[in-house]
Amino acid sequence: AAGVIQSPRHLIKEKRETATLKCYPIPRHDTVYWYQQGPGQDPQFLISFYEKMQSDKGSIPDRFSAQQFSDYHSELNMSSLELGDSALYFCASSLPPVWSGGAYEQFFGPGTRLTVL
Amino acid sequence: DAKTTQPPSMDCAEGRAANLPCNHSTISGNEYVYWYRQIHSQGPQYIIHGLKNNETNEMASLIITEDRKSSTLILPHATLRDTAVYYCIVRVANAGGTSYGKLTFGQGTILTVHP
Repeated sequence: AAGVIQSPRHLIKEKRETATLKCYPIPRHDTVYWYQQGPGQDPQFLISFYEKMQSDKGSIPDRFSAQQFSDYHSELNMSSLELGDSALYFCASSLPPVWSGGAYEQFFGPGTRLTVL
Repeated sequence: DAKTTQPPSMDCAEGRAANLPCNHSTISGNEYVYWYRQIHSQGPQYIIHGLKNNETNEMASLIITEDRKSSTLILPHATLRDTAVYYCIVRVANAGGTSYGKLTFGQGTILTVHP
């Protein structure tokens, strides 16, 4: 079965550089979520999109922005990178609520490991 | 979303049942109990969810107490590949508003399955 695809899988950047992470959801999934997981920490919600509109926002720094495109893939743009941005970034997708009877699970991608030097 | 409490770690012998408890005493009537797990540095994996009835799928069983204040995830025959961090998450299933179901991961249970 198709899964969530994330690219790149690994990314190394210098401080103050920019990075773009991409997420391709499972076909027919129109809801996308981004999570950040620092070393030794639990995943933390950043932002989500439903039908190409931002649906919820968590602890996402102002230096980060994201969007969902017409084909439902999503990109997380990170500028002025800091050492503390080094983390695993997961994307997840899900069906819209009405299709799954109101209770829906999220399917996670393999993550992008970002290292800021 | 309601807060959950889980033991930080548990051990289990391979082939035996693993019973992972979760306390969610402040759960609301419209909140579901979800279980996810994360095998080292991989993306979290959905396991099972339920509202008030016990649920079973090919991976696990979920037992929810009658008052819904706690639940237990049961892996009937644990294998070494079940070693992971298990997260119990309580959230509204269909918010209907602007929130479309973010997951709030708290401290999960590190399950170690021994040979």
